[in-house]
Amino acid sequence: GQQVMQIPQYQHVQEGEDFTTYCNSSTTLSNIQWYKQRPGGHPVFLIQLVKSGEVKKQKRLTFQFGEAKKNSSLHITATQTTDVGTYFCAGNTGQEGTSYGKLTFGQGTILTVHP
Amino acid sequence: NAGVTQTPKFRVLKTGQSMTLLCAQDMNHEYMYWYRQDPGMGLRLIHYSVGEGTTAKGEVPDGYNVSRLKKQNFLLGLESAAPSQTSVYFCASSWTSGLDEQFFGPGTRLTVL
Repeated sequence: GQQVMQIPQYQHVQEGEDFTTYCNSSTTLSNIQWYKQRPGGHPVFLIQLVKSGEVKKQKRLTFQFGEAKKNSSLHITATQTTDVGTYFCAGNTGQEGTSYGKLTFGQGTILTVHP
Repeated sequence: NAGVTQTPKFRVLKTGQSMTLLCAQDMNHEYMYWYRQDPGMGLRLIHYSVGEGTTAKGEVPDGYNVSRLKKQNFLLGLESAAPSQTSVYFCASSWTSGLDEQFFGPGTRLTVL
């Protein structure tokens, strides 16, 4: 079945350092979504990428979708303590129809920021 | 609007007991999902529904059943709980297809002894 692999599993950084998490799929994705889960909380949607090579920015966060639509990355510039949490990518390989609504989540990257 | 709510928040079961987790959404979403979250495993889809009266199996459906009798509710049942079902369960909903963001509930932490 479809697999979405995410690395690294853990990342510890000092406040102010940059952070990147990578997501790779075994199959071509229709789109990819990114979610953030604060400790003890639930996943919250951050962004969606649909087009090949797409790059989107949200303040200090930069999201990229690979040219082949099989990989994606999330980069945070100058991390802050508020960035602590688990970041998940979620890929959709579905064609219009029965499987179109299912996302496959990566394992997540747990980010710790030391002040 | 409450968004997505889940009942209960915590539960401890003994092996072999049964229970039902309730998910409710007030956003009129067509799609609803049940996930389980285990350390290092991410979120794995148990069952999902693309509309009232319909359900389908996800990635890890064994040991679970679901029902969607009303559009706003999605129930997850464990008929005979096992320790392997100890997990955090999240319900989510979305407008329609996989191109829409999913809204998650606060989760239910279930322990099976």
